[in-house]
Amino acid sequence: AQSVTQPDIHITVSEGASLELRCNYSYGATPYLFWYVQSPGQGLQLLLKYFSGDTLVQGIKGFEAEFKRSQSSFNLRKPSVHWSDAAEYFCAVRGGSQGNLIFGKGTKLSVKP
Amino acid sequence: ETGVTQTPRHLVMGMTNKKSLKCEQHLGHNAMYWYKQSAKKPLELMFVYNFKEQTENNSVPSRFSPECPNSSHLFLHLHTLQPEDSALYLCASSQAVSLNEQFFGPGTRLTVL
Repeated sequence: AQSVTQPDIHITVSEGASLELRCNYSYGATPYLFWYVQSPGQGLQLLLKYFSGDTLVQGIKGFEAEFKRSQSSFNLRKPSVHWSDAAEYFCAVRGGSQGNLIFGKGTKLSVKP
Repeated sequence: ETGVTQTPRHLVMGMTNKKSLKCEQHLGHNAMYWYKQSAKKPLELMFVYNFKEQTENNSVPSRFSPECPNSSHLFLHLHTLQPEDSALYLCASSQAVSLNEQFFGPGTRLTVL
């Protein structure tokens, strides 16, 4: 069965530091992968997606993610974190008979001044 | 209004009440979704509608009853809920089920007393 694992429940980084959030997936075919961000009291906003082609994907707000098939990973990165990036981040993979999204449990990001 | 809107944003109800959650999308999409987001659990897909037809019911108890009168509106009718149904209920839409770039509303925070 398809699944998504986000190993880190909570990460704290200093403002201006680099960030990497981990995501591992389990999916038999070529995966469609997504990263969403959720600010407190808000819905989910799509940061970026990977369908095919270049394995390094650029998204909004300065985020990027790299698809590594050999490691079944799709880690999210940002070179310099801003205080406004504090939120919860969800990785998702397309799966299921209807091609629905399967989400990880999320990683909460805190940013220190 | 733009994007996906949900009303009400907050709802408190007793176990014997009947209430409804409303979702409206202004994106011209044809697929709509209900998700449940509980603390410390991944987002759970509840229902999928494609061109107003329900295409997936993810083993949701009958006390949750969805309705999709047209491609722009989605309701979730609630009846005889349990305290464990307290959660954030998120609505999403996409151009079609297969494309799966989903756009989310801000959610309804439901508390069942």
